[in-house]
Amino acid sequence: GESVGLHLPTLSVQEGDNSIINCAYSNSASDYFIWYKQESGKGPQFIIDIRSNMDKRQGQRVTVLLNKTVKHLSLQIAATQPGDSAVYFCAESKDKLTFGGGTRVLVKP
Amino acid sequence: DTGVSQDPRHKITKRGQNVTFRCDPISEHNRLYWYRQTLGQGPEFLTYFQNEAQLEKSRLLSDRFSAERPKGSFSTLEIQRTEQGDSAMYLCASSLDTAFGELFFGEGSRLTVL
Repeated sequence: GESVGLHLPTLSVQEGDNSIINCAYSNSASDYFIWYKQESGKGPQFIIDIRSNMDKRQGQRVTVLLNKTVKHLSLQIAATQPGDSAVYFCAESKDKLTFGGGTRVLVKP
Repeated sequence: DTGVSQDPRHKITKRGQNVTFRCDPISEHNRLYWYRQTLGQGPEFLTYFQNEAQLEKSRLLSDRFSAERPKGSFSTLEIQRTEQGDSAMYLCASSLDTAFGELFFGEGSRLTVL
């Protein structure tokens, strides 16, 4: 079946440190893999995506890595800031998005 | 503000009543999606439209749920004979059909069924 899941439900990180959020997926037919950020009381917000034929993509302070061999996706946030505190979801895309269960990131000052 | 607006933001209703939610997407977006989210879970796909055509509906979606997008602009999601298990946040999102994974979500309509 199709499923997208996360290894860690909560991640505490010191301000200024790097964060790594991991995700496992099972549908190899997905075209894109995406990370979303959701702050309390708001809808999910797109962060970055990666096409299935790539293994790395960088954005502003974020890097997404895709390992198709082990069906693993990760999001790295450099120099984590208080504003990065949120729930992060990985998702896979083939016509529609299928979301995983989310990881809460707590940034400690 | 993503440009996607949803109304109402909160709805409290009694079991058995019908409710309707409205979504106004970003005007140039031809795709419109409805998702449902419960506390601590990721959004769950319900249905999506390409212009006015409903292209896919989740197999998990009961017949009590119906969605429309009559002119390819705004959309409505109606839930008939609500049940307590329908309590959730209902999220609308829109995108271009070339955008693949980048959806713009509204802030959601929270439904509480008593």
